[in-house]
Amino acid sequence: SAVISQKPSRDICQRGTSLTIQCQVDSQVTMMFWYRQQPGQSLTLIATANQGSEATYESGFVIDKFPISRPNLTFSTLTVSNLSPEDSSIYLCSVEDARDRFPYEQYFGPGTRLTVT
Amino acid sequence: AQSVTQPDIHITVSEGASLELRCNYSYGATPYLFWYVQSPGQGLQLLLKYFSGDTLVQGIKGFEAEFKRSQSSFNLRKPSVHWSDAAEYFCAVGAHMIYNQGGKLIFGQGTELSVKP
Repeated sequence: SAVISQKPSRDICQRGTSLTIQCQVDSQVTMMFWYRQQPGQSLTLIATANQGSEATYESGFVIDKFPISRPNLTFSTLTVSNLSPEDSSIYLCSVEDARDRFPYEQYFGPGTRLTVT
Repeated sequence: AQSVTQPDIHITVSEGASLELRCNYSYGATPYLFWYVQSPGQGLQLLLKYFSGDTLVQGIKGFEAEFKRSQSSFNLRKPSVHWSDAAEYFCAVGAHMIYNQGGKLIFGQGTELSVKP
């Protein structure tokens, strides 16, 4: 199974600034995903990031607000730009491990808890 | 559009009692269904998954789920709950999944399970 780490684990940011979250996987994976979990809510997919191509964003999420990089098969970053208090959430990255039996399990990182003041 | 509904936001059961968490999905084709658990301070962990075959699926930690196409349901069960089962449980459906290529997940709202001594 894939092991995922995220940095930072938590941060407090001022409105108007940006936060970049890093996601590192211990194996090469094709598909990586970024989710947002607002307080007391479920997980909402922000975008799918495949190496070598532009990220695919879900409805309601735009690249200017959530730029994503995927420079190789083990790493991705999500930036949350122009922060507002409404961006206070837990941000999680996940990956599929194609070594699993289909349908592939998604393995989740521990999350980054962002508080915007 | 694909969707997942977990009708129960919060459930409380006594330790040793049986448990059933409900999940209903809306999906036009063969669904790929998952149950994840999120414990306080922990990441998400897969309990079990279903794609085809036997409609009763066994998972980790003594959990099982039954797929009922006629009811569009995938309810999670456990015969005897332990205090350590207190957590948030999420049902998810795989959307736009391509065989052997994977795809994104759509999560239900989650059910918080509390366990009474």
